[in-house]
Amino acid sequence: ETGVTQTPRHLVMGMTNKKSLKCEQHLGHNAMYWYKQSAKKPLELMFVYSLEERVENNSVPSRFSPECPNSSHLFLHLHTLQPEDSALYLCASSQDLGDRVYGNYGYTFGSGTRLTVV
Amino acid sequence: AQRVTQPEKLLSVFKGAPVELKCNYSYSGSPELFWYVQYSRQRLQLLLRHISRESIKGFTADLNKGETSFHLKKPFAQEEDSAMYYCARGPSLKTSYDKVIFGPGTSLSVIP
Repeated sequence: ETGVTQTPRHLVMGMTNKKSLKCEQHLGHNAMYWYKQSAKKPLELMFVYSLEERVENNSVPSRFSPECPNSSHLFLHLHTLQPEDSALYLCASSQDLGDRVYGNYGYTFGSGTRLTVV
Repeated sequence: AQRVTQPEKLLSVFKGAPVELKCNYSYSGSPELFWYVQYSRQRLQLLLRHISRESIKGFTADLNKGETSFHLKKPFAQEEDSAMYYCARGPSLKTSYDKVIFGPGTSLSVIP
């Protein structure tokens, strides 16, 4: 599959489980992102990786742990989650053009992982 | 705080009628604005960017810095336009990565 691929599509986990979400992009992009989409809130940026280096952690609880082993792969490790963490987790990628004000860029999103914490 | 607001959660229009999805933003500096769309059972995708001044699927959006608005418009709505629309803004300052802030979204329903 081309573009941004996320697995699994659906995940149900208990509060004591440990699981990981995977994101893979085949677009040659050098920046990747995790967003959380829940029913009652706008899309929330969680983590940003640019050139495999984490550049932003938007005050996300430590029970979410990202990993970016290379520019094509991004993981979100989950442990001891709470029911309120149930949401759609979206991965996105883009081409970081470096130091510029205006760039011809936009995000390419994956289909998301629907997470339910029970 | 930098914010993007979309005052309408739901918007219904008849097929062939004009449609306008409102978006306002707070800013510091010169923002980059976007519209993203999510059709039923499809992934979120970029619709258009203000910097490109393009028309996609008949939609246009004009950046109004005085009103800090970036409303999305289409003169004649089609049934296939029914979707969730998100307004978003990019960073105002030079950064080494894309940081896009999304509005809460407006669900557009085009009635046949």
